[in-house]
Amino acid sequence: EVQLVESGGALVQPGESLRLSCSASGFTFSSYWMHWVRQAPGKGLVWVSRIKSDGSSTTYADSVKGRFTISRDNAKNTLYLQMNSLRAEDTALYYCVREVAIAGIGMDYWGQGTQLTVSS
Amino acid sequence: QSALTQPASVSGSPGQSITISCTGTSSDVGGYNYVYWYQQYPGKAPKLMIYDVSNRPSGVSNRFSGSKSGNTASLTISGLQAEDEADYYCSSYSSSTTPVFGTGTKVTVL
Repeated sequence: EVQLVESGGALVQPGESLRLSCSASGFTFSSYWMHWVRQAPGKGLVWVSRIKSDGSSTTYADSVKGRFTISRDNAKNTLYLQMNSLRAEDTALYYCVREVAIAGIGMDYWGQGTQLTVSS
Repeated sequence: QSALTQPASVSGSPGQSITISCTGTSSDVGGYNYVYWYQQYPGKAPKLMIYDVSNRPSGVSNRFSGSKSGNTASLTISGLQAEDEADYYCSSYSSSTTPVFGTGTKVTVL
């Protein structure tokens, strides 16, 4: 059974840093592209970042470019999101998501999310 | 990347059919056959319902169908049931090689 379990969410102050983790199991993690998607309270889904299966390529939403870094450790089956210079508008539930194995950019498995709150 | 445009809400009675639209541009919805639909219940993670415009993953009811015309994609739910009451989001591949989500639609079963 595919499982994605996020952790690391917290309440932080503006300007601080935080690293989110996502532990993957039930599939060959190193074969899949992965994403982070966020959802602010009562709002819609917003794509944050994407990383290639081997970690050699990454892309970011404009809103987080230069502040967030996605990475992965395929030996540990873990996805990360390093978030720096956090802002109030980064407050959201952050989902770790697996991309479909076929062509395209669909997302077939989602974790339950980890909550980030940025507030003074 | 601007979000794809969806109606905020759509409603229907049990047994009826409803259609949710998802409007983008030629740089996303209109340019690729990579449109997806997700269902999300309150407090739960999204679930993939449609991929590549009109394909259903294994286990998804055939009451859900997808289509596309020009820059607008659509999700149709036929034989509406109480369990279909949820939020629905479309998504598309874009020319920036990143995904873009729709604004979301709340489906209410009357």
